[in-house]
Amino acid sequence: KAGVTQTPRYLIKTRGQQVTLSCSPISGHRSVSWYQQTPGQGLQFLFEYFSETQRNKGNFPGRFSGRQFSNSRSEMNVSTLELGDSALYLCASSLQRQGAGYTFGSGTRLTVV
Amino acid sequence: QKEVEQDPGPLSVPEGAIVSLNCTYSNSAFQYFMWYRQYSRKGPELLMYTYSSGNKEDGRFTAQVDKSSKYISLFIRDSQPSDSATYLCAMNYGQNFVFGPGTRLSVLP
Repeated sequence: KAGVTQTPRYLIKTRGQQVTLSCSPISGHRSVSWYQQTPGQGLQFLFEYFSETQRNKGNFPGRFSGRQFSNSRSEMNVSTLELGDSALYLCASSLQRQGAGYTFGSGTRLTVV
Repeated sequence: QKEVEQDPGPLSVPEGAIVSLNCTYSNSAFQYFMWYRQYSRKGPELLMYTYSSGNKEDGRFTAQVDKSSKYISLFIRDSQPSDSATYLCAMNYGQNFVFGPGTRLSVLP
């Protein structure tokens, strides 16, 4: 059974650019959540999608957005990148809404220079 | 006060030692309690999941929940170098899912 796949694994972008990250959940999982992980702040919740609808959103500026497609694959977009956006972005999928059934991907390491 | 606090570490122990990792929380509404292990350059993986107060054992790992004290622990017996990782506690109620900041553990051979 394939796990959660995130692409790309590594990304270097320049301040002011935008970036799109992709997440393919485990087959059959309908809930996809995104997290930002930094050494100082730990894991911080960005948003959750379930059945193509955003169901929950964390405390991040509007530059961070996402979407989910009918096959449950999800993308997140960050516009007007700032140096502080450098982080590991993790996607997690689960059968139900947010909960203990989370399976995480290996993440996308974004570096903003 | 943060919703979930965790011993920051880092923690270094010799191989074979018993390791105790701890989290405290402030919101009594939390119902489900989890421990995740995260290796370097990997995403977190679920180790243990408990619902009620008490102990749950899985091999060398024991998760303990004390809801009255708002305190959870993970014990690792006979620790191995392969246990070297960051351990994250997590808890949720409804759609509110919160992670602790993590404790980095090194088990020295």
